Amino acid sequence: DIQMTQSPSSLSASVRDRVTITCRASQSLSSHLNWYQQKPGKAPKLLIFAASSLQSGVPSRFSGSGSGTDFTLTISSLQPEDFATYYCQQTYSTPWTFGQGTKVEIK
Amino acid sequence: EVQLVESGGGLVQPGGSLRLSCAASGFTFSSYDMHWVRQATGKGLEWVSGIGTAGDTYYPGSVKGRFSISRENAKNSLYLQMNSLRAGDTAVYYCAREFEVGAFDIWGQGTMVTVSS
Repeated sequence: DIQMTQSPSSLSASVRDRVTITCRASQSLSSHLNWYQQKPGKAPKLLIFAASSLQSGVPSRFSGSGSGTDFTLTISSLQPEDFATYYCQQTYSTPWTFGQGTKVEIK
Repeated sequence: EVQLVESGGGLVQPGGSLRLSCAASGFTFSSYDMHWVRQATGKGLEWVSGIGTAGDTYYPGSVKGRFSISRENAKNSLYLQMNSLRAGDTAVYYCAREFEVGAFDIWGQGTMVTVSS
């Protein structure tokens, strides 16, 4: 199985900060990497697919980059509604696996 | 409105069985691969099964042989039959629609499964 490791596991940031979350895979994924946002008690929401494609309706402050084994989710200017947990997911090979999550908290 | 609604969760004893359902609306259900993803309380996301438009199925090792995913396109419905349940299967179970290259763009609200004596 492909192991997905996110860093950091949690971070504290302020509104308008630039935030970067990293996801590393145990083997190459090409660009088969997606990012989700999840708020407490809610289902995950797709933000980025295929490493860098912005899902329809998602604000442009979210962006994704990377290929192979190293990927990044960037929030260019953190907004109050962005405080949540973020997960990466690989869909290069089954079983599809998720990172352990990164919790973004208010500083 | 594009929507997925899960049902069928509840309390079951270890070794028991449960069948989850997911009702789809607002899109052509038969044209999409569909999946189940679970999340234990306070934990991360775990993919537990997927089914293609042709009925091909996929499972991780943790549930293979115990869980069975199926679909009934005429009823716009997805199912997850769970047998030989264990305490470790306790989680919220979400159904999700596969969008592109495996990304899940539509999720249900989830249904809670508790395995306990």
